[in-house]
Amino acid sequence: DAGVIQSPRHEVTEMGQEVTLRCKPISGHNSLFWYRQTMMRGLELLIYFNNNVPIDDSGMPEDRFSAKMPNASFSTLKIQPSEPRDSAVYFCASRPEGSYEQYFGPGTRLTVT
Amino acid sequence: GENVGLHLPTLSVQEGDNSIINCAYSNSASDYFIWYKQESGKGPQFIIDIRSNMDKRQGQRVTVLLNKTVKHLSLQIAATQPGDSAVYFCAENIWTGTASKLTFGTGTRLQVTL
Repeated sequence: DAGVIQSPRHEVTEMGQEVTLRCKPISGHNSLFWYRQTMMRGLELLIYFNNNVPIDDSGMPEDRFSAKMPNASFSTLKIQPSEPRDSAVYFCASRPEGSYEQYFGPGTRLTVT
Repeated sequence: GENVGLHLPTLSVQEGDNSIINCAYSNSASDYFIWYKQESGKGPQFIIDIRSNMDKRQGQRVTVLLNKTVKHLSLQIAATQPGDSAVYFCAENIWTGTASKLTFGTGTRLQVTL
């Protein structure tokens, strides 16, 4: 079992650039979550997909953030344009049907200068 | 709004001693709770869970206690080891009517001294 896979692991970009983070959930899991973690705000849920459909995007900070899940094995989180305050570690997690437990990926550390 | 909070941001424990990490929650509708461990540079990892109809659950070296009367959750680690050093998060599950999602506490850092 490869676990949740995220790429890239580290991303450094300049303010104003577009950033795309990628996630491959565990095979067979039907729910996918994107989180952001900072020292100031802790672990925040950004968006939640169930069977590839966005269920709750109330945590998405603003229109600069968008997420897609074109199929059961792939999701992206895009920030356009990026700002320094977007610097954080972004985690993807997946969950099998009928379970509450979420399995987290290793995260992407984003630095916007 | 309702949230999950931790009492102690940092806990230092000597190797071999027992550790107790506390968590207060405020949503009485929460039906399930999980403790996660996060080591430096890694994603949170599941430790143990408990349903709201239980008050205690034991795993290997870990025990979770739930007191719904005072909305309090604790994680007990027996014979703490250096490998237990990490940040520990409690999370509560809430059913919103359309979705089931976790809300995480702010975390407690456990430091194990030799």
